[in-house]
Amino acid sequence: GENVEQHPSTLSVQEGDSAVIKCTYSDSASNYFPWYKQELGKRPQLIIDIRSNVGEKKDQRIAVTLNKTAKHFSLHITETQPEDSAVYFCAARTGGYQKVTFGIGTKLQVIP
Amino acid sequence: ETGVTQTPRHLVMGMTNKKSLKCEQHLGHNAMYWYKQSAKKPLELMFVYSLEERVENNSVPSRFSPECPNSSHLFLHLHTLQPEDSALYLCASSQDLGAVVHFGNGTRLTVT
Repeated sequence: GENVEQHPSTLSVQEGDSAVIKCTYSDSASNYFPWYKQELGKRPQLIIDIRSNVGEKKDQRIAVTLNKTAKHFSLHITETQPEDSAVYFCAARTGGYQKVTFGIGTKLQVIP
Repeated sequence: ETGVTQTPRHLVMGMTNKKSLKCEQHLGHNAMYWYKQSAKKPLELMFVYSLEERVENNSVPSRFSPECPNSSHLFLHLHTLQPEDSALYLCASSQDLGAVVHFGNGTRLTVT
């Protein structure tokens, strides 16, 4: 089955700096890659996603890149703010009925 | 309002108890899921239901028993749990299998 690896597991950045979280996947048939943000005590929420026919997608301060050849994708957050502090999960969708497999999560701390 | 409502938010139970977790989605989705979220582990998919039929059981112990009486409701019946079953149990739904997953706020379960 699909295996999604995510790193780093924890990341601390100064407010205003950029943060990058990287994920790799194993199944070349994966075709959809969502990113979820989970604030402390709250549910995971979709923040951005990318499909396999696109190399990059941007939404304000958040961007995601996909390298299908290398089978890795990354989340980029620019001009980080304290409210960006959360756990971020990457995921890959694959399989006969398009099962979603999640990474282990990255705890991002933005230091004011 | 999340669209996916889980009750209770917190549950403490002994190893010999029987309890049930409830999930209700108000989004008109056709697929529902149970996930287990433990510290330092990826989100673990437990069960998948599509149009009220179970399509996946990810080698989950029989002490966890799901029930999907209709497309809007999902239950997880618990009995004779172990302390290692303590975790956050997240319910989720999607329009169809593999579509964007919407999570509930979860039930924090503690087994004593």
